[in-house]
Formats: sequence, structure tokens, C-alpha cells
Amino acid sequence: EIVLTQSPGTLSLSPGDRATLSCRASQSVSSTYLAWYQQRPGQAPRLLIYGASGRATGIPDRFSGSGSGTDFTLTISRLEPEDFAVYYCQQYGSSPRWTFGQGTKVEIK
Amino acid sequence: QVQLQESGPGLVRPSETLSLTCAISSGYISNYYWSWIRQPPGKGLEWIANIYYTGGPSYNPSLKSRLTSSIDTSKNRFSLRLSSVTAADTAMYYCARENRATDAFDIWGQGTMVTVSS
Repeated sequence: EIVLTQSPGTLSLSPGDRATLSCRASQSVSSTYLAWYQQRPGQAPRLLIYGASGRATGIPDRFSGSGSGTDFTLTISRLEPEDFAVYYCQQYGSSPRWTFGQGTKVEIK
Repeated sequence: QVQLQESGPGLVRPSETLSLTCAISSGYISNYYWSWIRQPPGKGLEWIANIYYTGGPSYNPSLKSRLTSSIDTSKNRFSLRLSSVTAADTAMYYCARENRATDAFDIWGQGTMVTVSS
């Protein structure tokens, strides 16, 4: 089973700041199968990034993804008030079919 | 736009079987995999199972012995049964669509909270 480890656990930033979130896999992951989700309080997760760097429909261009192999990054260029949320990375594998990281909370400083 | 709507019992007694259903907007069930994902209060996400529109479920090995998944294309819905529940199964349960074009979950239901308690 591939384990995804996200860091930091919590990121305290101000609106307008740049946020950099990390997702590290315990073994190499195909970039095709690495996704990022945003979850606001009381809401279901929302797909942000697929294929490590592709933006999902309707996602603002301040969100970007990068990385390959075992190290992936989600960057939010300038934080808007609605971006303060929890972010999860996810990969598609063999067994179990899908695994998630434990999440990074982006909170207002 | 496809919409998903979960339904569940709310409260289940320990050792009983949890039954969940996800209703899919009419006409959108074909050619996709459909998944269940859960989230215990204050914790992260765990993939539980998926099923293709023609059948053939896949399960998380950690839960496999207790799971049964099914799909009814005539009613545009899919279901999950989790047997022998314990307090550890208390969670928000989401259904979601797997989009092979993105290899990700692009549509999610709003979730249904299930509490296991006597």
C-alpha cells in the first residue's frame, strides 16, 4: 500500500500570502494518478487538481500543482478568504484502489 | 450537471448492518465507476469501495470482509452494506464519481452522517 504523507499539518497564513503544501508518497506514484482536493468546513471535498498539475473545471488559476515520483506540491499563489480549508492529496493504486493523505489545514494567521 | 444524493439510517446499533444508497441524476450512471468514501469526525478521508456501472465491485482490503456493493442502473443508484459495525464505523459517508478522464473523483454527494451507538 502506498502511503501519502502531507506536510505541514497546519499552515497559518494571511490573505494574500502564498501557500505551499507538500505530499510525499512512500513509493513512486504516476503523476497521472495524483490529485488534490479542497474541503471547506461542513462541505464535501472538491476536486482541485488532477494528473498532478491539471486544474479541474472551474478552479481558479491561483491554484497550481506540480511534482513527480514521490514528491508533489500544491501551490496557492495568493490566498483568498475562501481558500482557508483543509487540503488532501490522493493517489490511485492497486490495493486499496485509492488512498488519501492525512490533510493539511490552511488557517488564517 | 450530475448530482449525487446519499441516504442512510443516521443511527445504527453495534454489530448490525449499515445500508447506504446513492442516487444519481437521471441518465448519468453509465460508463463510470462509483465510489464510497468515509470520514470519521475530525479525521481524514478513507476510500471504502467502488463499482462499475456493469457491476464488479472493488473493496478496501481493510474492510472487504464486511462489505457488499451493488448497483441498479434501472433506478440510477448504487448501494453499500457494511456488516458488524462498531463505533469505529461512525463517520460521514460520501458517494462520488470516478472520472477516468481525470483519474479522480470529480463529483461528490453532500454526505450522510452515520453514528454507531447503542
